[in-house]
Amino acid sequence: GENVEQHPSTLSVQEGDSAVIKCTYSDSASNYFPWYKQELGKRPQLIIDIRSNVGEKKDQRIAVTLNKTAKHFSLHITETQPEDSAVYFCAASSGGGADGLTFGKGTHLIIQP
Amino acid sequence: KAGVTQTPRYLIKTRGQQVTLSCSPISGHRSVSWYQQTPGQGLQFLFEYFSETQRNKGNFPGRFSGRQFSNSRSEMNVSTLELGDSALYLCASSLGSSYYEQYFGPGTRLTVT
Repeated sequence: GENVEQHPSTLSVQEGDSAVIKCTYSDSASNYFPWYKQELGKRPQLIIDIRSNVGEKKDQRIAVTLNKTAKHFSLHITETQPEDSAVYFCAASSGGGADGLTFGKGTHLIIQP
Repeated sequence: KAGVTQTPRYLIKTRGQQVTLSCSPISGHRSVSWYQQTPGQGLQFLFEYFSETQRNKGNFPGRFSGRQFSNSRSEMNVSTLELGDSALYLCASSLGSSYYEQYFGPGTRLTVT
């Protein structure tokens, strides 16, 4: 089955700096890669996603890049703000809705004031 | 449009008992997936239902089961509870068919004593 590795497990950055979280996947059949943000005590929230036919996608301060050949994808957050502090999860899936998401272990992002 | 709802939000059970959790998807969504979240194992896929049919199942024992009703609401059941079943159980809804995006409910926090 699919295996998703996520690094780093903890990331501390100064407010205003950029943050990058990296994930690798093992199943070449995976074609959908979402990122979720989970604040303490809250539900995971879908913040951005990318499909295998696209190399990069941006949404304001957030961007995701995908390298299918290397089987890795990354989340980039620019101009970080205190409200970006949370746990971020990457995931991969190979089926259109039928297959479950395989998640990375999460990255605890800490924004230092 | 109302989000995904789950009931109950918190539950305390004793080893050997069984439990049923409920999930109501976003209106119009026909796919419901269930996940278990624990500090040690992270987010793990349990199973997915679409149009009352289980399409996929994760690597969990047969004590974990589920079903979906004609209105797309879903329930999951865990029989013969073990201490290790203590977790946050999340459901996620999706439009279904070939749609990938999954939106999570707030979860049910199950504690087994």
